[in-house]
Amino acid sequence: EPEVTQTPSHQVTQMGQEVILRCVPISNHLYFYWYRQILGQKVEFLVSFYNNEISEKSEIFDDQFSVERPDGSNFTLKIRSTKLEDSAMYFCASSAVQTGGEQYFGPGTRLTVT
Amino acid sequence: ILNVEQSPQSLHVQEGDSTNFTCSFPSSNFYALHWYRWETAKSPEALFVMTLNGDEKKKGRISATLNTKEGYSYLYIKGSQPEDSATYLCASFSGGSNYKLTFGKGTLLTVNP
Repeated sequence: EPEVTQTPSHQVTQMGQEVILRCVPISNHLYFYWYRQILGQKVEFLVSFYNNEISEKSEIFDDQFSVERPDGSNFTLKIRSTKLEDSAMYFCASSAVQTGGEQYFGPGTRLTVT
Repeated sequence: ILNVEQSPQSLHVQEGDSTNFTCSFPSSNFYALHWYRWETAKSPEALFVMTLNGDEKKKGRISATLNTKEGYSYLYIKGSQPEDSATYLCASFSGGSNYKLTFGKGTLLTVNP
């Protein structure tokens, strides 16, 4: 069964460093998403992406964040200058349709900023 | 209601018990309600996507109902098994945004053998 994959599973970085989190969505899906969950808190929407552009972004997704689909398979989230409060589990998801369809989640990348 | 709220926060039941939990969501500009099952160390897995008022969906021993007018959904598990132990997340597309899922905090279900 096709699945969303994410690498790395755990990333430790120092404050101020850039990180790139990588995702490979399900191949025939058209809509891509990033979410994060800070320990003990809700899963929070960061950004959605369709047709090679951002469809929607949350107030969390400021200028420090960017997303890219550099080729036909990868979908990346870049954090330019990490802060301690960026420590969280980051989930990638994809869906075949927009609002009425289920989203398929990857296993997550745990980002720890020290 | 501006946020998606779930109750209870956690629940312990015995194997064989039936249980249910609630999700409340903004009823204005509603489009869809999603339920996900999230086991520790795994990816959240979609259970149901519901869009119509009065929708009822079923998958094995798990079912869900939807009331869009009052903004709530119930998830039912009949005859709980230890493998049902997980966090159950609900999320809504509503509030005028078609592209954003807003999640509740989840209900952590533990089924004791």
